[in-house]
Amino acid sequence: QVTLKESGPGILQPSHTLSLTCSFSGFSLSTYGMGVSWIRQPSGKGLEWLASIWWNGNTYNNPSLKSRLTVSKDTSNNQAFLKVTSVDTADTATYYCAHTLNYYSSYMGRYYYVMDAWGQGASVTVSS
Amino acid sequence: NTVMTQSPTSMFISVGDRVTMNCKASQNVGTNVDWYQQKTGQSPKLLIYGASNRYTGVPDRFTGSGSGTDFTLTISNMQAEDLAVYYCLQYNYNPTFGGGTKLELK
Repeated sequence: QVTLKESGPGILQPSHTLSLTCSFSGFSLSTYGMGVSWIRQPSGKGLEWLASIWWNGNTYNNPSLKSRLTVSKDTSNNQAFLKVTSVDTADTATYYCAHTLNYYSSYMGRYYYVMDAWGQGASVTVSS
Repeated sequence: NTVMTQSPTSMFISVGDRVTMNCKASQNVGTNVDWYQQKTGQSPKLLIYGASNRYTGVPDRFTGSGSGTDFTLTISNMQAEDLAVYYCLQYNYNPTFGGGTKLELK
């Protein structure tokens, strides 16, 4: 069974760096096709994909956040990390990590991308 | 970024209704679209992947269809437990979510 749990500071000040940890079990981030994605959701609003990190170390970031995002992983300890620099009030949101698969189905002859297990979310408030 | 526009933004429905919601992509995304369900106070859950494939354990009253730029999620015989916000996601390019369709009881 795949489970994920996000942890973070809860509250931080504008201009500081947000650091979040995703601790997971039930899969390894060294296994082919496995990944962890980060998604956020401001209160009462929709979902925004932020970044993904894959088994091979490749990372992909949302271009709208430019170079503010850094994702990394600690395969040995089953953790993934997200850093967001220079935060402001617009970064106030619930941050989710999700187990992500990008796999090829030879039967269907195509790739699929699924976020099939999500953490409970970590609430982050940016306030002075 | 590929913009995913969902419509309607909300629907008032009754148990037993057939519900159809739409998602339109700003460019061709093939069938690289997933649908997620988010109930109040919960994390999103995967419903449909690859535009039309039901994820494990998802009831067969949920059906996804479409390709290119136009996608549809249909719930036949709506149940009270299906009250939620539904999001489409394209992954043909950098992943982007639609704004969501909220289902509420009449």
